[in-house]
Amino acid sequence: NAGVMQNPRHLVRRRGQEARLRCSPMKGHSHVYWYRQLPEEGLKFMVYLQKENIIDESGMPKERFSAEFPKEGPSILRIQQVVRGDSAAYFCASSQGHYTGELFFGEGSRLTVL
Amino acid sequence: GESVGLHLPTLSVQEGDNSIINCAYSNSASDYFIWYKQESGKGPQFIIDIRSNMDKRQGQRVTVLLNKTVKHLSLQIAATQPGDSAVYFCAEIYTGANSKLTFGKGITLSVRP
Repeated sequence: NAGVMQNPRHLVRRRGQEARLRCSPMKGHSHVYWYRQLPEEGLKFMVYLQKENIIDESGMPKERFSAEFPKEGPSILRIQQVVRGDSAAYFCASSQGHYTGELFFGEGSRLTVL
Repeated sequence: GESVGLHLPTLSVQEGDNSIINCAYSNSASDYFIWYKQESGKGPQFIIDIRSNMDKRQGQRVTVLLNKTVKHLSLQIAATQPGDSAVYFCAEIYTGANSKLTFGKGITLSVRP
């Protein structure tokens, strides 16, 4: 039973480019959460999605950031026109229900903006 | 505002000793608490959880204690091993609608051989 899969594990972008981070939840999980982690800090909630729906995006910047979780395929976190401050580790987690039971995390995608 | 924080940024313990990692939370409505372990370069890994209707829960070598009166959570690791070296996060949530899991800043546990 594969865990939460994230790719790419490492991504380097120049300022102004776009970054796309993908997350495939665990089998049978329909709830996906994205968190951002800056160096030496905890994880900050960004967005919570269910299939085809954004449930809570209160932690996501209003501009340049978007997320989706289509009916088929992985969840995508998209960052347009990246800036150096976007450099961070982005973690995806999934669960069977809304925060019911264990929240399983992926290994993260580390974005570096030059 | 609501926050979850840890008392100490780093903890160094001798291999074989018991470790105690403390966490304070401020949202009295939180009813579910989780400890995560994060090794370098990896994602957070669930260790143990506890609901607010309990004050103690034991796992394998780990025990979580919850004191709702002072809003304090602790993680006890028995016979600490080198493999326990990692960053530990406490997280809290009120499991009602529109809630989110809130993480503390993390504490680094370093195990001396």
